[in-house]
Amino acid sequence: DQQVKQNSPSLSVQEGRISILNCDYTNSMFDYFLWYKKYPAEGPTFLISISSIKDKNEDGRFTVFLNKSAKHLSLHIVPSQPGDSAVYFCAGLSNSGYALNFGKGTSLLVTP
Amino acid sequence: KAGVTQTPRYLIKTRGQQVTLSCSPISGHRSVSWYQQTPGQGLQFLFEYFSETQRNKGNFPGRFSGRQFSNSRSEMNVSTLELGDSALYLCASKEESHYNEQFFGPGTRLTVL
Repeated sequence: DQQVKQNSPSLSVQEGRISILNCDYTNSMFDYFLWYKKYPAEGPTFLISISSIKDKNEDGRFTVFLNKSAKHLSLHIVPSQPGDSAVYFCAGLSNSGYALNFGKGTSLLVTP
Repeated sequence: KAGVTQTPRYLIKTRGQQVTLSCSPISGHRSVSWYQQTPGQGLQFLFEYFSETQRNKGNFPGRFSGRQFSNSRSEMNVSTLELGDSALYLCASKEESHYNEQFFGPGTRLTVL
């Protein structure tokens, strides 16, 4: 069963605007979340993470928000740039497991 | 440090054959995980090895197996290939601390005809 869900397969945003990518999870044991970015023909690269004891983590243009009660997290990219066009994966990790549970990804297109 | 490397990058096999994929982790990383990426299912966890021992396993049939060597390099094997095994196989390594980020290799694109 899919424990991490990214319900928007794709998103198109204009350059300079905010991109918001959403992710929902069902496993209450997840206590750490990561976002990865993937370009075609390359492996995913780590973008940003957040521990469940926090509700926000910021790194430059990227901010991740976590709402534990709603089991929801989101990645904000401000301002969006054409180079941000890629597939973004959300992943959850529990303190008893070693496997990243990935969502199916959201393909972001940033248009000039 | 050099990144995670995977060989071969592309592979074409026919149904019923077997295949072995190789992964060399980042120097010093002892944990190696394997994932399968398909268009319909996203990235799915296959298994994780640490110090030559399989520490965790995903929900894949026994046709999928792996091993890790003393130098942390890992191989995964798929026997009796099926058309549905066509996918991008990704290897990731990380340091020992549980929550450290995983670093992915470029993947091996396997096509089964």
